[in-house]
Amino acid sequence: GNSVTQMEGPVTLSEEAFLTINCTYTATGYPSLFWYVQYPGEGLQLLLKATKADDKGSNKGFEATYRKETTSFHLEKGSVQVSDSAVYFCALSDNNNNDMRFGAGTRLTVKP
Amino acid sequence: KAGVTQTPRYLIKTRGQQVTLSCSPISGHRSVSWYQQTPGQGLQFLFEYFSETQRNKGNFPGRFSGRQFSNSRSEMNVSTLELGDSALYLCASSLEVPASYEQYFGPGTRLTVT
Repeated sequence: GNSVTQMEGPVTLSEEAFLTINCTYTATGYPSLFWYVQYPGEGLQLLLKATKADDKGSNKGFEATYRKETTSFHLEKGSVQVSDSAVYFCALSDNNNNDMRFGAGTRLTVKP
Repeated sequence: KAGVTQTPRYLIKTRGQQVTLSCSPISGHRSVSWYQQTPGQGLQFLFEYFSETQRNKGNFPGRFSGRQFSNSRSEMNVSTLELGDSALYLCASSLEVPASYEQYFGPGTRLTVT
């Protein structure tokens, strides 16, 4: 079945450092891919998405490119801020039904 | 447009009791999914409802049940509560647009079982 594997955390960075959170997936067909972010005490918020191979999703300085050849959707940001501290979830959705699978989540802490 | 709302936000119950959680999706969204989030197991899918019918179901015991009303509002029920049911329960709604099933999450209901 479909599944998502993302790098284990926690990840601790200094402000303005470069961020990469790795995500790989296993799926039949052509799923849509997502990154969600969860701030303390809140639900998940959609950060960005990509619906087909080579698409790049971007939002708030974060980017991720749908790489079919490596089945990956790594999250990157060139310069993190303290306010980016949160838990990040990679997810995929089967485009034939509303069956969404999430990775385990990666906790990011950014220190000033 | 109002987001997904969940009530109550916090709940404390004792073992053996039952609990009902409520979710109101974004207006126009007909699909509602429920998830359980715990530190140990992460985010686990419970079930999904669409047009008052359960369409997908995760691997949870029969003590966990749900339903959806004609206005798309959904409830989930947990009977005979166990300590391990303590978790954040998240509800998410989505629009039925092919190839774009992003889900919009509510703030969650924090359930503590003592």
